[in-house]
Amino acid sequence: QVQLVQSGAEVKKPGASVKLSCKASGYSFTTYVITWVRQAPGQGLEWMGCISASNGITKFAQKFQGRVTMTTDTSTNTAYMELRSLTSDDTAVYYCAREQISARFDYWGQGTLVTVSS
Amino acid sequence: QSVLTQPPSVSGAPGQRVTISCTGNSSNIGAGYDVQWYQQLPETAPKLLIYGNNNRPSGVPDRFSGSKSGTSASLAITGLQAEDEADYYCQSYDSSLSGSRVFGGGTKLTVL
Repeated sequence: QVQLVQSGAEVKKPGASVKLSCKASGYSFTTYVITWVRQAPGQGLEWMGCISASNGITKFAQKFQGRVTMTTDTSTNTAYMELRSLTSDDTAVYYCAREQISARFDYWGQGTLVTVSS
Repeated sequence: QSVLTQPPSVSGAPGQRVTISCTGNSSNIGAGYDVQWYQQLPETAPKLLIYGNNNRPSGVPDRFSGSKSGTSASLAITGLQAEDEADYYCQSYDSSLSGSRVFGGGTKLTVL
């Protein structure tokens, strides 16, 4: 069965970077896109960007351009998302999801809580 | 401010029917892009509920249905049950934002 397993919770200081992982199993990794979505405490879902697992092409929400990097490792079927220059506003649960055609997200990881605090 | 607009909350009694609206514009829903709906139970990851405007993934009860018209979409839930209490999000694609995927702000459904 399709599974996306994300790395554990992180605590970071303002100005630091965080790199999260999302390990996929149960499907052909390079056939799909991986998208990243975050959710601040008590807030809604916010799309951050996506990466094609077949060719590494990325697309980012304007808000995160220049501050985010997304990569994949096809040897381990793992996607990574690095966010730099963290502020308290980046405190959120970060989700990875498999993106199907028509930009639908059919499977989601369990989420990773990132807390940014001095 | 979300690109897609949803009511912050809706409520209904068990057995009733509720609808949740999602309003976009000519760059997203009105441009013909598909609308998806996700259900998020407390402290869990979102789950795909409706895709392609009105299709249900395997395992989603037929009490849930979606529709789309013009620049808006709707999620309808019939025969409301206590376990339907959750947050619901619409999502689409927006051509004016460099191919961004966009979400609604979310709607909290309370089962009275």
